Amino acid sequence: GAVVSQHPSRVICKSGTSVKIECRSLDFQATTMFWYRQFPKQSLMLMATSNEGSKATYEQGVEKDKFLINHASLTLSTLTVTSAHPEDSSFYICSARDQGFHEQYFGPGTRLTVT
Amino acid sequence: AQSVTQLDSQVPVFEEAPVELRCNYSSSVSVYLFWYVQYPNQGLQLLLKYLSGSTLVKGINGFEAEFNKSQTSFHLRKPSVHISDTAEYFCAVSDWDGGYNKLIFGAGTRLAVHP
Repeated sequence: GAVVSQHPSRVICKSGTSVKIECRSLDFQATTMFWYRQFPKQSLMLMATSNEGSKATYEQGVEKDKFLINHASLTLSTLTVTSAHPEDSSFYICSARDQGFHEQYFGPGTRLTVT
Repeated sequence: AQSVTQLDSQVPVFEEAPVELRCNYSSSVSVYLFWYVQYPNQGLQLLLKYLSGSTLVKGINGFEAEFNKSQTSFHLRKPSVHISDTAEYFCAVSDWDGGYNKLIFGAGTRLAVHP
């Protein structure tokens, strides 16, 4: 089956610093990647959709200058949380979808803690 | 826009008993439906999907779901659960919004299997 990896799995950073999270599709070409945020015991909240080679589309209420998304290749998308604050602490999950298919394949998630 | 309702936030059940997790979606001309499972501190794993064809869909780990267009439901079932099935289960529907295809998730159902 399709495999999506995320790195790092867990990161702790200080308030005001930036953190980059990588999402890779390992055995297929992901024309579209998605970034989600999940709070404890809650569902996934879609943050943005990115298509390879174009700018990401952000959901309403998500700050595009704070959550920078780059989808430079068909197998890699990155999410950079800039000037992180404690309220940015969360579980971030990426997913990837191959062109022509409807299902998304999810990465294992990244636990971000901002101190 | 589509919406998904998972009627039960928690479902406790004894091992080897049958279980049904309920999911209803808002009506649409055509829908693509999915069930995902999430184990603690992990990403989501696709259990099964309905795109077209037979309304009874079989997935991994002995799960199945039935698409019922008249009742706009896509309930997930398993005839005999194991302790290892304890997890969070998410129902999702594929939706088009502003030219982009994305998944709309339900709030999730926590399945707790007791010995």
